[in-house]
Amino acid sequence: DAKTTQPPSMDCAEGRAANLPCNHSTISGNEYVYWYRQIHSQGPQYIIHGLKNNETNEMASLIITEDRKSSTLILPHATLRDTAVYYCIVRDYSGGGADGLTFGKGTHLIIQP
Amino acid sequence: DTAVSQTPKYLVTQMGNDKSIKCEQNLGHDTMYWYKQDSKKFLKIMFSYNNKELIINETVPNRFSPKSPDKAHLNLHINSLELGDSAVYFCASSPGWRKNSYNEQFFGPGTRLTVL
Repeated sequence: DAKTTQPPSMDCAEGRAANLPCNHSTISGNEYVYWYRQIHSQGPQYIIHGLKNNETNEMASLIITEDRKSSTLILPHATLRDTAVYYCIVRDYSGGGADGLTFGKGTHLIIQP
Repeated sequence: DTAVSQTPKYLVTQMGNDKSIKCEQNLGHDTMYWYKQDSKKFLKIMFSYNNKELIINETVPNRFSPKSPDKAHLNLHINSLELGDSAVYFCASSPGWRKNSYNEQFFGPGTRLTVL
């Protein structure tokens, strides 16, 4: 799996958009970009994933650059409950699979009131 | 309804004891996993099972033995507990071997194991 690089921590004001960057310059053609988050003392939670196109769901938007070497997770209106560690994971799921996720250190996002 | 549940939530025990952690998922998923999150917060895959068969065993000591009595359950038994086994253990499940599936994983709440 391609390695990812994320800033260790970020702050964002409540109500503003939180933009979390991820660098995955060694990503290969059949690898997807996944985002999970872990709120303190809870299990990780899936947020969104994408391959090439930008994606949006009820939780967030994912913007992937045209060369796919980096991406940005956007939480459009951050709330205090969004304070968590956010993990960017690159994974090959072209054939489905039962492989585990490889978590890095993630970005600790702190939403300030 | 709880999708992935684990019991117990907290487990405190002495070195050398044998203990088990139970995991159940009611999502109808084919694949289940065990992860370990150590004191430095690194989250690592330990095992994965697909339809009750072991798929991954990531250099975990053989004191750790997962057991899957059926597709909905994956229990973790740990023999001769050591201080270094203290961690939070997370169970997860996913749809499993499906072509073109993005295979989102659903995690349980975790079991905090403390070995004294």
